[in-house]
Amino acid sequence: GQNIDQPTEMTATEGAIVQINCTYQTSGFNGLFWYQQHAGEAPTFLSYNVLDGLEEKGRFSSFLSRSKGYSYLLLKELQMKDSASYLCAVDIMGGGNKLTFGTGTQLKVEL
Amino acid sequence: DSGVTQTPKHLITATGQRVTLRCSPRSGDLSVYWYQQSLDQGLQFLIQYYNGEERAKGNILERFSAQQFPDLHSELNLSSLELGDSALYFCASSAQGFAGITDTQYFGPGTRLTVL
Repeated sequence: GQNIDQPTEMTATEGAIVQINCTYQTSGFNGLFWYQQHAGEAPTFLSYNVLDGLEEKGRFSSFLSRSKGYSYLLLKELQMKDSASYLCAVDIMGGGNKLTFGTGTQLKVEL
Repeated sequence: DSGVTQTPKHLITATGQRVTLRCSPRSGDLSVYWYQQSLDQGLQFLIQYYNGEERAKGNILERFSAQQFPDLHSELNLSSLELGDSALYFCASSAQGFAGITDTQYFGPGTRLTVL
């Protein structure tokens, strides 16, 4: 089976930097997605990592270490609108393209 | 706006009833995925269709079934509904969906199902 762990909640200050960690234990790992989800809304795609290293995309960056089963999402210059749930999802090899999601990290950005 | 549409937005029904949720994928996408999101469970994969055929299955209950039509829209049928089926049901689509080829999945706005 798959096991994906993320912190349940985090709080950060507007303008600051926050790092949201995700660890996973799975067989047949293909890659890892990060999605942002505001309450009651659809998850929206942020990033995809398949190789080790850092992928930067504007204020958001995502890092992957396949050997350690570890990823993080880095959010810089936090804005109030970044308050949302951040979902880590693992793509498993074999049989379609289904994603296994962690339970999400609820980020609260404060003034 | 992801380009994935879902109807209805809200659905309220009673236990024992049957409902159908509808999803239209982004233009050109061949794969459709269904997910269930309840408060205590997070996003759970239910089933995937690729170009009309079932491609992958998650922990989908036997009371639930889905299909993808020739125009690529998909329907999720939920029957003998129970209180515990109350959840947000999301549809996502991707360009392909083959094993070993990873596509980004784009999610629709969801259908909120309430079973009373």
